[in-house]
Amino acid sequence: KAGVTQTPRYLIKTRGQQVTLSCSPISGHRSVSWYQQTPGQGLQFLFEYFSETQRNKGNFPGRFSGRQFSNSRSEMNVSTLELGDSALYLCASIGYPGGKVKQFFGPGTRLTVL
Amino acid sequence: KQEVTQIPAALSVPEGENLVLNCSFTDSAIYNLQWFRQDPGKGLTSLLLIQSSQREQTSGRLNASLDKSSGRSTLYIAASQPGDSATYLCAVRVPGSARQLTFGSGTQLTVLP
Repeated sequence: KAGVTQTPRYLIKTRGQQVTLSCSPISGHRSVSWYQQTPGQGLQFLFEYFSETQRNKGNFPGRFSGRQFSNSRSEMNVSTLELGDSALYLCASIGYPGGKVKQFFGPGTRLTVL
Repeated sequence: KQEVTQIPAALSVPEGENLVLNCSFTDSAIYNLQWFRQDPGKGLTSLLLIQSSQREQTSGRLNASLDKSSGRSTLYIAASQPGDSATYLCAVRVPGSARQLTFGSGTQLTVLP
């Protein structure tokens, strides 16, 4: 099976702009989670989607939003970018090997806000 | 609120040494604990997943143990190699949070040739 795909891999934006990141999970996986990784805060949970429904949301401002499509692909959007939004954004595809929940991470999208 | 701590933050060892990485969590009510490896600027690679009912898991030179009652897990790496150099992260999944993972801050391991 192909792994988790995230596009684009790198992005440079300026303050005030908005950005959309995309994640394609492993074929057959219906759940996707998003995480933000920064040197200061480490890995923090953004949100989780299952069958186009948001199941859980982390403690981030409303500028961060997401959605999931019927083919399980997910997008996250950040509006009115701030310098502090510079981070590695990771998507996890959630599977059930042997009946156990397991997260499979993509390579990430590196966002730089200038 | 669940908190996950990893000590030390950084570790440097000579090649061939056996080593232990530590992970502690504040709430013992977990579904499972997962160890990941992250190379610089890259995504996370899952190494081992331990269910709350298990005591340990092994994969090759890696062995992870879980003591849920004391809120601790260790990752044992045998006969370390320079290719093991990376950041190692542990994460727990807790009830009531869907499939959200709570991560530690990681241990940056350097294996010197």
